Amino acid sequence: RKEVEQDPGPFNVPEGATVAFNCTYSNSASQSFFWYRQDCRKEPKLLMSVYSSGNEDGRFTAQLNRASQYISLLIRDSKLSDSATYLCVVTLNSGGYQKVTFGTGTKLQVIP
Amino acid sequence: DVKVTQSSRYLVKRTGEKVFLECVQDMDHENMFWYRQDPGLGLRLIYFSYDVKMKEKGDIPEGYSVSREKKERFSLILESASTNQTSMYLCASSTVREQYFGPGTRLTVT
Repeated sequence: RKEVEQDPGPFNVPEGATVAFNCTYSNSASQSFFWYRQDCRKEPKLLMSVYSSGNEDGRFTAQLNRASQYISLLIRDSKLSDSATYLCVVTLNSGGYQKVTFGTGTKLQVIP
Repeated sequence: DVKVTQSSRYLVKRTGEKVFLECVQDMDHENMFWYRQDPGLGLRLIYFSYDVKMKEKGDIPEGYSVSREKKERFSLILESASTNQTSMYLCASSTVREQYFGPGTRLTVT
């Protein structure tokens, strides 16, 4: 089983739609969770951290479910500019350093 | 603004050549990373360093080595480039909360 798994997509959604991605992780001791966004031919950039109680940033909502070992990202009122690949990131303290594992990403295409 | 720079955006090398990829960050971060990114495989960690002269193997270190002589600079070395090392190489430096990536080097080995 992969450490971090994501549906690669693509998710093709119309402008204004709500879309949700999930990401599962295998190690129950994982400590921190993030969503990164990567535009085509660009480097990944942090979109938002994921907190245990869930958190929201504008149209974006992130949730963590430790019991089922998954995190989710919800995007409301999708914009054309939301088209990108969304990477799930999980960290774990291991041997005195922080191990960071990226998912392979979920591609979102917002259609006019 | 955090800045991570990589020495080249595009690089073409021949099989068997020694290749150096340089990465420099200007935020005094202790942690630095080298990844490669391939379609369908995502970002895979090659090596990372959490201090000067310290290095740790990531998930796919074979065929690579690294050097961290100064805090701001982390170099990835391909001792003898092979065609299966054709990839996008991304360097990052990090705080506890966030990784900052450089623009990437697209390396082609022919």
